[in-house]
Amino acid sequence: GQQVMQIPQYQHVQEGEDFTTYCNSSTTLSNIQWYKQRPGGHPVFLIQLVKSGEVKKQKRLTFQFGEAKKNSSLHITATQTTDVGTYFCAGPIQGAQKLVFGQGTRLTINP
Amino acid sequence: DAGVIQSPRHEVTEMGQEVTLRCKPISGHDYLFWYRQTMMRGLELLIYFNNNVPIDDSGMPEDRFSAKMPNASFSTLKIQPSEPRDSAVYFCASSLEGRGRFFGPGTRLTVL
Repeated sequence: GQQVMQIPQYQHVQEGEDFTTYCNSSTTLSNIQWYKQRPGGHPVFLIQLVKSGEVKKQKRLTFQFGEAKKNSSLHITATQTTDVGTYFCAGPIQGAQKLVFGQGTRLTINP
Repeated sequence: DAGVIQSPRHEVTEMGQEVTLRCKPISGHDYLFWYRQTMMRGLELLIYFNNNVPIDDSGMPEDRFSAKMPNASFSTLKIQPSEPRDSAVYFCASSLEGRGRFFGPGTRLTVL
C-alpha cells in the first residue's frame, strides 16, 4: 500500500558529528511534515515543506523536499545531546488530512 | 496558551474493562486526531474529526473502539471491552487545516 519509508531506522553518532535521515514516499506528496519525539515524550511538529525543491533551515537543522515531491531529508549539523530523539516524516498520502507517518529514525548521541 | 490536554496520563486496567481516554484540543483548531503508537506498528491514525464531525474512522481497529466529539473543546476515545493487545500510547492531536499537528502528552494504556 501507499506508505512513507524512512532510513536509517537507528543512528548513533558522536556529539558534534552530523546526522541525516531520509524519507521516501511511494506517491507524490502535496507537502511533507517533520516531527521530533524525545524519549518518553510526544511528537512535536518541526516544519512543513510544500514546494518542489524547497529547502528550509532552523538553526542547525536543514530540511529538503525533493524536486519530484516524493522524498525529503533532514540534516542536523554538529549534533548536540539535546538532539536525541526519534525524527518522523509524515505525508498526506491518503487524503489531505490523513498523514501517514514514517517509522522514524532514532538518533542517539555519545557525549 | 495551553497545548493539547489529555487525561489520564497513565491507565492500567484489566482485560474486559471499559477504558475512556479524554482530550481537550487547542482552542481554535478545527481538526482533532486520535493516534495510537506501538513499537510494532508505529504511529497509526485511528480517527479524525473536522469541526466536531467524524470524517474518517477507517483506522479504528474494531467495533470495540469508539470516539466522540460532543463539542469543540472535548473528545473521548472509548475501548469496550479492552484487551491486552490494546496496550499502547494513545495520542490526541489538533491542528488547523493543512497545518502541522500539535500532539498532547499521550495516555499510556496497559491492559492486563
